[in-house]
Amino acid sequence: NAGVTQTPKFQVLKTGQSMTLQCAQDMNHEYMSWYRQDPGMGLRLIHYSVGAGITDQGEVPNGYNVSRSTTEDFPLRLLSAAPSQTSVYFCASSYWAGEGNEQFFGPGTRLTVL
Amino acid sequence: TQLLEQSPQFLSIQEGENLTVYCNSSSVFSSLQWYRQEPGEGPVLLVTVVTGGEVKKLKRLTFQFGDARKDSSLHITAAQPGDTGLYLCAGDWEYGNKLVFGAGTILRVKS
Repeated sequence: NAGVTQTPKFQVLKTGQSMTLQCAQDMNHEYMSWYRQDPGMGLRLIHYSVGAGITDQGEVPNGYNVSRSTTEDFPLRLLSAAPSQTSVYFCASSYWAGEGNEQFFGPGTRLTVL
Repeated sequence: TQLLEQSPQFLSIQEGENLTVYCNSSSVFSSLQWYRQEPGEGPVLLVTVVTGGEVKKLKRLTFQFGDARKDSSLHITAAQPGDTGLYLCAGDWEYGNKLVFGAGTILRVKS
């Protein structure tokens, strides 16, 4: 199993450009999430999905869109990139392990917006 | 917004020393998780605690969940250079997918 894969690993955008960060998992997990990680702030939840066709907002959803057409894929779209969106983005998939949702994280996408 | 405060932010110690990292909140969590993250990689789950007062051990790491399920601690005995990394606590208050993460503790263990 590849686990959770993310592409690209690095990306530089200009202000106003749009792009899609890809995320895929092969563990058949129902739950998937997108986080951003900024220095001194830990990980903050952007959007999440509890299954194909179902998405909801997290703590910092503004400027981002998601969709979940299949169990495997959960892309994150930046509609009009802003410098404040410079961050490292992590996708995670998870399942209920009986004691809590065990999250499996991808390797991250480092995004710089100029 | 549910907040989780971690302390200390940075910790630099010598190999063989003991250390404790704290994770505190004013909110009650249904479960609390600890993750370890290395540079350039995503966090990896170490443990989940769910019961107030629960203590779990993972080799030299001991995790404790407070009686009121508002705080947790991670204690490392005889730290080794391989323990170096970013340690994150994360609270789940909806028995679901909405984890709240602390800002993390950067641990450096010098040989």
